[in-house]
Amino acid sequence: GAVVSQHPSRVICKSGTSVKIECRSLDFQATTMFWYRQFPKQSLMLMATSNEGSKATYEQGVEKDKFLINHASLTLSTLTVTSAHPEDSSFYICSAPPSGRPYNEQFFGPGTRLTVL
Amino acid sequence: DQQVKQNSPSLSVQEGRISILNCDYTNSMFDYFLWYKKYPAEGPTFLISISSIKDKNEDGRFTVFLNKSAKHLSLHIVPSQPGDSAVYFCAASSDNYGQNFVFGPGTRLSVLP
Repeated sequence: GAVVSQHPSRVICKSGTSVKIECRSLDFQATTMFWYRQFPKQSLMLMATSNEGSKATYEQGVEKDKFLINHASLTLSTLTVTSAHPEDSSFYICSAPPSGRPYNEQFFGPGTRLTVL
Repeated sequence: DQQVKQNSPSLSVQEGRISILNCDYTNSMFDYFLWYKKYPAEGPTFLISISSIKDKNEDGRFTVFLNKSAKHLSLHIVPSQPGDSAVYFCAASSDNYGQNFVFGPGTRLSVLP
């Protein structure tokens, strides 16, 4: 099946620094990618929809200046957590449906565990 | 306010027996439901789905039942295997091409040998 990769899988950073997380679709093109966040023992929460060639769409309550999203190509979307704070520590997962396919066929990346000290 | 609820955080079942995972939703606009399976350190993988025009969908050992009037769905796994041990997420959306998936908190299934 289709594969979505994320890099890094785990990152530890100091408070105030910025962290970039990459999401790549390895064997298909994705005009849309989704970024989710998961707190311990809680469900996946959609943060934003990344659109290739245009601005991302953010869910209510998600600060777009804090979570910068860039969908540079049909196979790559990046999420940058700017000026990270301990409360940003979480598990971030991206997903992508192959272009032209229903969103329910989206494939998820393995996730990135961010720990902000 | 959780729109999709999975009230059992964990479930243990003996190998070979049936596993039943439950999911309840509150939003009557939801008409497409999915189950995802997640192993540790991996992203969720799609398992099975059901549209609101059906009340049952079956795929091998996995069957999903939908009771629209009760706003309840369940995933049955029979027979359960140790490899089924994972976290199962129920998700709902308002249409097949919808992007606004709402996930439940997940149920951790442990299948004991």
